[in-house]
Amino acid sequence: GAGVSQSPSNKVTEKGKDVELRCDPISGHTALYWYRQSLGQGLEFLIYFQGNSAPDKSGLPSDRFSAERTGGSVSTLTIQRTQQEDSAVYLCASSFSGGEETQYFGPGTRLLVL
Amino acid sequence: DAKTTQPPSMDCAEGRAANLPCNHSTISGNEYVYWYRQIHSQGPQYIIHGLKNNETNEMASLIITEDRKSSTLILPHATLRDTAVYYCIVRASTGANNLFFGTGTRLTVIP
Repeated sequence: GAGVSQSPSNKVTEKGKDVELRCDPISGHTALYWYRQSLGQGLEFLIYFQGNSAPDKSGLPSDRFSAERTGGSVSTLTIQRTQQEDSAVYLCASSFSGGEETQYFGPGTRLLVL
Repeated sequence: DAKTTQPPSMDCAEGRAANLPCNHSTISGNEYVYWYRQIHSQGPQYIIHGLKNNETNEMASLIITEDRKSSTLILPHATLRDTAVYYCIVRASTGANNLFFGTGTRLTVIP
């Protein structure tokens, strides 16, 4: 398949542990986005990458959250010292470029912090 | 990005057309109208988008009023698999890159 892929699909962790979530965008897409969706809520923007740089980090909720992108492709979202309120579905999307280009979403990673 | 207003829920009989409205009265000239849907436990799926002309693809049709203050997504022959939350999003061609998803319309297709 040529879509956006994310791993793991599900992650259960204990409060205080660190987690890493991975996103593989569509090949050739330079823009990559992370969102999260809490149970029954809408999507919340976290961070946007253009290539390897992140011109918009405005949605990261705290300094426990960070993300990087290497080689203009794979991105990793890291949550340090997880809290129960971090439990959500973390969604990744990519687009051919930024601007008004259509974003295509992956299936998400369901994170549960116990 | 302009705010959108959608009804919280709608029902549609299987095989009939589903018409989902969206109001975006504060839309500005460089803002596109996008529609996505989210089927339970899946990531959002792109459906269609447009600027001012009506658009049609294999999934749906998008009708935008002449003043661009509202639009309607049309699923011509709804199936049970079309049951989902449908999001209308207005987004500028420049500036903020993220999508703002409101609460959407929960469409239930009834057998």
